[in-house]
Amino acid sequence: DVKVTQSSRYLVKRTGEKVFLECVQDMDHENMFWYRQDPGLGLRLIYFSYDVKMKEKGDIPEGYSVSREKKERFSLILESASTNQTSMYLCASSLFPRFHTNNSPLHFGNGTRLTVT
Amino acid sequence: AQSVTQLDSQVPVFEEAPVELRCNYSSSVSVYLFWYVQYPNQGLQLLLKYLSGSTLVESINGFEAEFNKSQTSFHLRKPSVHISDTAEYFCAVSLRGGYQKVTFGIGTKLQVIP
Repeated sequence: DVKVTQSSRYLVKRTGEKVFLECVQDMDHENMFWYRQDPGLGLRLIYFSYDVKMKEKGDIPEGYSVSREKKERFSLILESASTNQTSMYLCASSLFPRFHTNNSPLHFGNGTRLTVT
Repeated sequence: AQSVTQLDSQVPVFEEAPVELRCNYSSSVSVYLFWYVQYPNQGLQLLLKYLSGSTLVESINGFEAEFNKSQTSFHLRKPSVHISDTAEYFCAVSLRGGYQKVTFGIGTKLQVIP
């Protein structure tokens, strides 16, 4: 079974802090994603990566950056945390590379609930 | 760009009754369609998917969904729900080809009442 591990289940940070959310997958997946989940808004894509050192903006990238130095690890960075970034953050991975004719499902971690005070 | 509309934010239903969770999508090109389920305090997991072929797809726990291209819908159904089906259900779409970028609906909370 694919395992996607998010390093923290709960985080509490202060406004202005730099925050790192870490995600590791163990199945050699090509693609990795960061979503945030908010009540009434569903999941919104922040950033995704289809290869090491490659990244693409999702629908709401403002205030975030990402890093993918190794295939198995995808980090989400909040450069200066703000209260409107309080949310549940979900990391996901999927197998097939871009332009593949098939489509593989997303495998999710259990999420990191971030509170910014 | 693609979008997904889930028309009901919450659906209460009695145990052993049938349920339908509605999903409509919008896209100018062909799509793949998915339903994901999120149990309390967990991440999402795939329930079923439509890639091609038969428009009726089924999950291992009795759910089914039918792709209707003319109505751009992918409604999820189960003829008899159990308490264990209480969860939040997300409809999702991705475009054929290109990046595997998945767009989710806002979710429907299914509450099964004993």
